Amino acid sequence: AQSVTQPDIHITVSEGASLELRCNYSYGATPYLFWYVQSPGQGLQLLLKYFSGDTLVQGIKGFEAEFKRSQSSFNLRKPSVHWSDAAEYFCAVATLGFQKLVFGTGTRLLVSP
Amino acid sequence: SAVISQKPSRDICQRGTSLTIQCQVDSQVTMMFWYRQQPGQSLTLIATANQGSEATYESGFVIDKFPISRPNLTFSTLTVSNMSPEDSSIYLCSVEATEAFFGQGTRLTVV
Repeated sequence: AQSVTQPDIHITVSEGASLELRCNYSYGATPYLFWYVQSPGQGLQLLLKYFSGDTLVQGIKGFEAEFKRSQSSFNLRKPSVHWSDAAEYFCAVATLGFQKLVFGTGTRLLVSP
Repeated sequence: SAVISQKPSRDICQRGTSLTIQCQVDSQVTMMFWYRQQPGQSLTLIATANQGSEATYESGFVIDKFPISRPNLTFSTLTVSNMSPEDSSIYLCSVEATEAFFGQGTRLTVV
């Protein structure tokens, strides 16, 4: 069965510092991978997705993620964090045929001044 | 990109009552999904709704508690029946497009 692990429950980053959020997946075939952001009281916003091709994926708001098959990882990065990036971040994997998304437990990002 | 609208955006309900949540998509889609996000938790799939067939429920979710309708290719409803405080969650609908867009969710509080 598919599963997603986000090992960090909380991360605090200083504004202007770089960010990396970790995501590891378990899936028998080529995965379809997603990163979402959820601000307090808001719905889910898609940051980026990976289906195939270039393993470095660019997303919105200056985020990028790199797919590493050998490590079963899809880590999210941003070179310089802004206070408005404080939110909950979810990594997800889609099952074959996009039958459903399986989500990780999320990482809460706190941005310090 | 699909635009998904959910109603209501939030509600406070008495235990023992039922609430029906509506999900409207601005384009025709084959599959629609209903997720639950309990407080402080991640998202869990409740069921998959295909037009013209019975919804498919995930383990731990049953039709009597979460009946779903899918009358056409742009609309679905999820009913949370006989509610208890444990049903207090955010309920989100999604579609199967490759972007896997989500509605803004319905924040339900059961008192």
